Amino acid sequence: GAVVSQHPSWVICKSGTSVKIECRSLDFQATTMFWYRQFPKQSLMLMATSNEGSKATYEQGVEKDKFLINHASLTLSTLTVTSAHPEDSSFYICSALPQRPGLAGTQKDTQYFGPGTRLTVL
Amino acid sequence: RKEVEQDPGPFNVPEGATVAFNCTYSNSASQSFFWYRQDCRKEPKLLMSVYSSGNEDGRFTAQLNRASQYISLLIRDSKLSDSATYLCVVNEGGSYIPTFGRGTSLIVHP
Repeated sequence: GAVVSQHPSWVICKSGTSVKIECRSLDFQATTMFWYRQFPKQSLMLMATSNEGSKATYEQGVEKDKFLINHASLTLSTLTVTSAHPEDSSFYICSALPQRPGLAGTQKDTQYFGPGTRLTVL
Repeated sequence: RKEVEQDPGPFNVPEGATVAFNCTYSNSASQSFFWYRQDCRKEPKLLMSVYSSGNEDGRFTAQLNRASQYISLLIRDSKLSDSATYLCVVNEGGSYIPTFGRGTSLIVHP
């Protein structure tokens, strides 16, 4: 239970292209999903909080026009890195917060992470 | 932003050792606390939640001290497979805002 998937698991693209990453909660619904970025040997950095049906809340220093977040349903959030550049190369991880703790083995106030997407921009 | 502090380590211990990590948090309004483990190039996985006075799960014990604003993780009888980075996560009350510590690296050697 409590499975979160991400797609793609890795992507290599040319500078200037846009990359879309999907985050899905497979066996539970999530009103809130989070997007993180992690550079090598560094800690997770929260980029934004995504709430179903409303605009995402971005952390300070994260460009909302560059990292577009859409949370169209209770099981899907997408992150689009627009006009990607080499400095955007990183490990992007999403997490989901269960709407109804207890279902699918989920616990209250607990984030369940996707396996991450490794982005390399050439 | 509210701070969550962890000793980055690495903690280098032999198999069978007992090791303890601490995590301090600055926001006294924090209400829920977690330990996650993250393996190299993988996503964090929930290790255990820490509520009220703490809890135990096999070789792992987590404790919460609200007065001093820290949580701890104790690992007994360390295994090679325990080698990982251990992340402390603290949630503020009311609106759910998670704050991650930088993680403590543990290396268990034969």
